[in-house]
Amino acid sequence: EPEVTQTPSHQVTQMGQEVILRCVPISNHLYFYWYRQILGQKVEFLVSFYNNEISEKSEIFDDQFSVERPDGSNFTLKIRSTKLEDSAMYFCASSGPQGAVPHEQYFGPGTRLTVT
Amino acid sequence: AQTVTQSQPEMSVQEAETVTLSCTYDTSESNYYLFWYKQPPSRQMILVIRQEAYKQQNATENRFSVNFQKAAKSFSLKISDSQLGDTAMYFCAFGGGADGLTFGKGTHLIIQP
Repeated sequence: EPEVTQTPSHQVTQMGQEVILRCVPISNHLYFYWYRQILGQKVEFLVSFYNNEISEKSEIFDDQFSVERPDGSNFTLKIRSTKLEDSAMYFCASSGPQGAVPHEQYFGPGTRLTVT
Repeated sequence: AQTVTQSQPEMSVQEAETVTLSCTYDTSESNYYLFWYKQPPSRQMILVIRQEAYKQQNATENRFSVNFQKAAKSFSLKISDSQLGDTAMYFCAFGGGADGLTFGKGTHLIIQP
């Protein structure tokens, strides 16, 4: 069964450093998302991406964050200058096979980001 | 903006029992989708069941079923014949199509042997 994959599974970085989290969505999906979950809290939406541009973003997704689909398969989240409060689990999700209503999102296993 | 409320932070039942997790939501939209996701200790988010708001029939997936009350904005999850592997966090989520999902705070379900 096709699945969303994410790398790395765990990333440790120092405050102020840039990090790039990578995701490979399900191949025939058209909508891509990033979410984050601070330990012990609920999952929060960051950004959605469709047709090579951001379609929606939350208040959390400020100028420190950016997303990109550099090729036909990868979808990346960049945090420009990490802060301690960026420590969280980051989930990538994808939905919407071509021709279908984009309503069922499948999540990757997550990348645990630790900022020290 | 939508809100999703899960009022049970933790529940515990014996194996083979039936358990119901509650979820309420608030929205002004008429067309939307509701989901239950399971998050085991591995922290993977697994889609359990989905309900389209325009469908009156409650969704079922094997041992999992929902009670969707659109007027009351209620969307509860029933797990029948609960198993040890059902132990996990369960998140209720609201989606308006291609938009990002809005999640509740979750219910930690513990299945006791």
